[in-house]
Amino acid sequence: AQSVAQPEDQVNVAEGNPLTVKCTYSVSGNPYLFWYVQYPNRGLQFLLKYITGDNLVKGSYGFEAEFNKSQTSFHLKKPSALVSDSALYFCAGSSWGKLQFGAGTQVVVTP
Amino acid sequence: EAGVAQSPRYKIIEKRQSVAFWCNPISGHATLYWYQQILGQGPKLLIQFQNNGVVDDSQLPKDRFSAERLKGVDSTLKIQPAKLEDSAVYLCASSQQDRQYFGPGTRLLVL
Repeated sequence: AQSVAQPEDQVNVAEGNPLTVKCTYSVSGNPYLFWYVQYPNRGLQFLLKYITGDNLVKGSYGFEAEFNKSQTSFHLKKPSALVSDSALYFCAGSSWGKLQFGAGTQVVVTP
Repeated sequence: EAGVAQSPRYKIIEKRQSVAFWCNPISGHATLYWYQQILGQGPKLLIQFQNNGVVDDSQLPKDRFSAERLKGVDSTLKIQPAKLEDSAVYLCASSQQDRQYFGPGTRLLVL
């Protein structure tokens, strides 16, 4: 079984500051982990994925995520947030092609 | 390349009525998914198709929900009769290998 958890409902950050969105996972076996972003009235857009290999994964729009096996975490990061990064972010784990999503974290970036 | 198409984008019905959603996946994608996203929650998988066969429908409320994927391309999801708690966004996704591509969703409101 595989599950992910996003402990924060909302993250507030000022433009230009670092952004971190937290995700922890619980899996049996090797995890396949993903981050998606959802803008209002739009579908989910893929940001990045971890399958195997380097623990630091680089993705779209300047985002990256760090896989930490000892802490069972897969936090999403961006060094300098933009107002346009304000959206709903979902962490997901995959098992046999099925995605299990976290509850989502609303990111609010203020000018 | 064209993305996943869904229609309609919005639908308002009264409880006990029926409704149908349509999805056209990315050309060549063998796997198609339907998700239900209730406000404030992450998407939940309803059904997964591989070509025109069902891989997983364990979370589909089969007493009222049905889905088909004739000829292994387009898919329809039907609800009959609808309940108030079916108000949600219904997302269609298709995949090739390990990444899923999402459509814009159909927002359903049941009154």
